[in-house]
Amino acid sequence: AQSVTQLGSHVSVSEGALVLLRCNYSSSVPPYLFWYVQYPNQGLQLLLKYTSAATLVKGINGFEAEFKKSETSFHLTKPSAHMSDAAEYFCAVSDRGFGNEKLTFGTGTRLTIIP
Amino acid sequence: GAGVSQTPSNKVTEKGKYVELRCDPISGHTALYWYRQSLGQGPEFLIYFQGTGAADDSGLPNDRFFAVRPEGSVSTLKIQRTERGDSAVYLCASSLGPGQGDGYTFGSGTRLTVV
Repeated sequence: AQSVTQLGSHVSVSEGALVLLRCNYSSSVPPYLFWYVQYPNQGLQLLLKYTSAATLVKGINGFEAEFKKSETSFHLTKPSAHMSDAAEYFCAVSDRGFGNEKLTFGTGTRLTIIP
Repeated sequence: GAGVSQTPSNKVTEKGKYVELRCDPISGHTALYWYRQSLGQGPEFLIYFQGTGAADDSGLPNDRFFAVRPEGSVSTLKIQRTERGDSAVYLCASSLGPGQGDGYTFGSGTRLTVV
């Protein structure tokens, strides 16, 4: 069974500071990994995905994530936080190659940007 | 359409009533997913359609929940004899299909409140 653990339900960073949101996964087969962002009262928007190409994945809005198999991690980073980054972020995992890319989500990390 | 459309955006119903939630996926997307998101949680999988058939309904919590996709496009999630515990945001997503690893496009969700 797949699972995702997001360390830190709330993270606060100053505007312009580094953003680091942690995600560790568990999967019995090579996974697909995703980060989604959810703004208030909106659906989830795909930030980036890992599908076994490059281990460093670049996404929208300046975010990137690195797949580290040895650490079973897929942490999300952004070099310089912007006020508009304030949102809820979800890491998700799915099994590949089984004809059903059902996603298992973490519980989310709420990112607050301090002016 | 340009995105995944869900209607209604908000639904308040009395305990014991029947409700239908509609999802209109992106044109050409063969895979359609329903998720439920409770307050403070990540989305939880309910059911997955590939075309007209429910390929995986393992996430439906009980037999009060049912979903259809008769023509392989629009889907309806149906909840009978609603309970207060059914209150949540119900999210629909679509994708090109299994094995693509392209991630989903989510709708904005239907917020269901059972009073």
